[in-house]
Amino acid sequence: DTAVSQTPKYLVTQMGNDKSIKCEQNLGHDTMYWYKQDSKKFLKIMFSYNNKELIINETVPNRFSPKSPDKAHLNLHINSLELGDSAVYFCASSQVLAGGYEQYFGPGTRLTVT
Amino acid sequence: DQQVKQNSPSLSVQEGRISILNCDYTNSMFDYFLWYKKYPAEGPTFLISISSIKDKNEDGRFTVFLNKSAKHLSLHIVPSQPGDSAVYFCAASAKAGFQKLVFGTGTRLLVSP
Repeated sequence: DTAVSQTPKYLVTQMGNDKSIKCEQNLGHDTMYWYKQDSKKFLKIMFSYNNKELIINETVPNRFSPKSPDKAHLNLHINSLELGDSAVYFCASSQVLAGGYEQYFGPGTRLTVT
Repeated sequence: DQQVKQNSPSLSVQEGRISILNCDYTNSMFDYFLWYKKYPAEGPTFLISISSIKDKNEDGRFTVFLNKSAKHLSLHIVPSQPGDSAVYFCAASAKAGFQKLVFGTGTRLLVSP
C-alpha cells in the first residue's frame, strides 16, 4: 500500500489555466505538507496543515490555495498558472503530535506550464 | 538565505569504500536533522535522523554525526553499494518552526562497481 500518494504524476497545461493536485496519506499522520522543487532542485516548503488547520504558509502567492477536507487529504489548487510555476510538487506527512520530525513524501507531481 | 548547505554537488566512490556526505547549517534554532535519499522521478525517502542532544546515530550501514559547535553534520555510508547511488538531501528542523524541514541543495552520490 502506498503511504503518501499524489495525483496526477504529470501535469502539462497552458498559462492562465487553473489546476489541482491531490494528495492522500494512509499513515494516520496528523500533519501534511506541500513542497516545491524548482529547476535548481531546491526543495522548499509551501504549506503545512495540522488536523485540517493551516499552520505554515511560506510567502506563497495567493494563486496557490491548499485545501484539507480531512486529516488524510491535502489538495493544492493553483489559479492562473504562470510559467514560473513549472516545478515538481511534493506532498508529505508526519505525526507531529507524537514528536515526530520525520516526514514521508509522495512521489511528486511534475507540473509543466507552457 | 540558505540556512542548510551542502557544498559538494557530487561525490564518486567505489563500491565497498566509505561515502561521506557533508552538510552545514547556520540557524542555531535547528534541533533535529535528517538525511533523505532521492532517486529520479521519486519522492525523497527518509534515511536517518539525529536530535541535537546527540552527536551520533547509527542505523546499519548509515551513521550520522553531528557537531553542534561547528554547525556541521555528516552522513557516513559503509560499505557503499551501487544501489546507494542517488541524490542525498540534508534537512533541518526546529520545534519552534512547527517542524518544517529546511533542505540543503543535495549531493549526488555515484557508487561505481
